[in-house]
Amino acid sequence: GENVEQHPSTLSVQEGDSAVIKCTYSDSASNYFPWYKQELGKRPQLIIDIRSNVGEKKDQRIAVTLNKTAKHFSLHITETQPEDSAVYFCAASRITGGGNKLTFGTGTQLKVEL
Amino acid sequence: ETGVTQSPTHLIKTRGQQVTLRCSSQSGHNTVSWYQQALGQGPQFIFQYYREEENGRGNFPPRFSGLQFPNYSSELNVNALELDDSALYLCASSNPREIRNEQFFGPGTRLTVL
Repeated sequence: GENVEQHPSTLSVQEGDSAVIKCTYSDSASNYFPWYKQELGKRPQLIIDIRSNVGEKKDQRIAVTLNKTAKHFSLHITETQPEDSAVYFCAASRITGGGNKLTFGTGTQLKVEL
Repeated sequence: ETGVTQSPTHLIKTRGQQVTLRCSSQSGHNTVSWYQQALGQGPQFIFQYYREEENGRGNFPPRFSGLQFPNYSSELNVNALELDDSALYLCASSNPREIRNEQFFGPGTRLTVL
């Protein structure tokens, strides 16, 4: 089955700096890669996703890049703000009939310091 | 916030007991996935129900079972509870016909097994 590794496990940045979180996946058939943000005691929320036919996607301060050959994808957050502090999870799945079955990474605790 | 709801919010059980967790999917969604999130870990896929049929299962023993009702709400049942079953149980609903096929998570049920 799919295996997703995520690094780093913790990341501390100064407000305004950029943050980068990296993930690798094992199943070359995976074609959908979402990123979720989970604040303490709350549900995971999708912040951005990318499909395998696209190499990069951007949404305001957030961007995701995908390298299918190397089987890795990364989340980039620019101009970080204190409200970006949370746990971020990457995930991978193969879209088939029915819903996605997500395999998650182990998470990155991002702390944005003033 | 999503339209996905879960009950109960918290639950305390003893080893060997059985538990039933409930999930109401977002309007228009016919797919429900269940995930187990241990403390400090990423969610792990348990199984998925699509139009009342099981549509994939993760690496969980048969004592984890579920069903989906005609209104697409779902239940997760766990028999013979073990201490390691203590976790946050998340359900997520989706509609594969939607372009993004995004999974919307509920707030979770926190299960503690003593």
